[in-house]
Amino acid sequence: EVQLVESGGGLVQPGGSLRLSCAASGFTLSSTWMHWVRQAPRKGLVWVSAIDTDGTYTGYADSVKGRFTISRDNARNTLYLQMNSLRAEDTAVYYCARDLSHYGAFDYWGQGALVTVSS
Amino acid sequence: EIVLTQSPGTLSLSPGERATLSCRASQSVSSTYLAWYQQKPGQAPRLLIYGASSRATGIPDRFSGSGSGTDFTLTISRLEPEDFAVYYCQHFGSSLYTFGQGTKLEIK
Repeated sequence: EVQLVESGGGLVQPGGSLRLSCAASGFTLSSTWMHWVRQAPRKGLVWVSAIDTDGTYTGYADSVKGRFTISRDNARNTLYLQMNSLRAEDTAVYYCARDLSHYGAFDYWGQGALVTVSS
Repeated sequence: EIVLTQSPGTLSLSPGERATLSCRASQSVSSTYLAWYQQKPGQAPRLLIYGASSRATGIPDRFSGSGSGTDFTLTISRLEPEDFAVYYCQHFGSSLYTFGQGTKLEIK
């Protein structure tokens, strides 16, 4: 059974940093692209970042470019999102999601990690 | 950048009725990269449809997707109580992944 479990969320002050982790099981992490998608309270879904199978390619939404870094450790079956210079507007539930190859869709999602940026 | 506009914003229907949800792209897109998701309160989204018309694993056949170019549709043939949720369309193109703003399907 495919499972994605996020951790590392919490309350952080504006300008602070946080690192999210996503532990994958039930499939071979090294064979798929992975993503982070976020959802602000009572708002819609917004794609944040993507990473290819070995971390050679990374992509970011303009709103987080230069502040967030996606990475992966295939040996540990874990995806990461390092978030720096956090702003109030980064407050959201962050989901890790598996890429459905060739279709640009997300076929499995974690339960989400809540990040709150507030003083 | 492609913008996806979903309509209506809210759809009020009764169990057993047919639901038709629309997703319009700001320019023509490839059907291969058009997907639909269902999200219930407090839960992660669930992939329903990919490639505009292919059902994801475990999705009941009352869910169907269609469309091409700029206009795509998600149809739920006969609504079950568990189908009342928010639905999002999503597109991939030019290294960007874009979601529509969502349609809330509520019980009438």
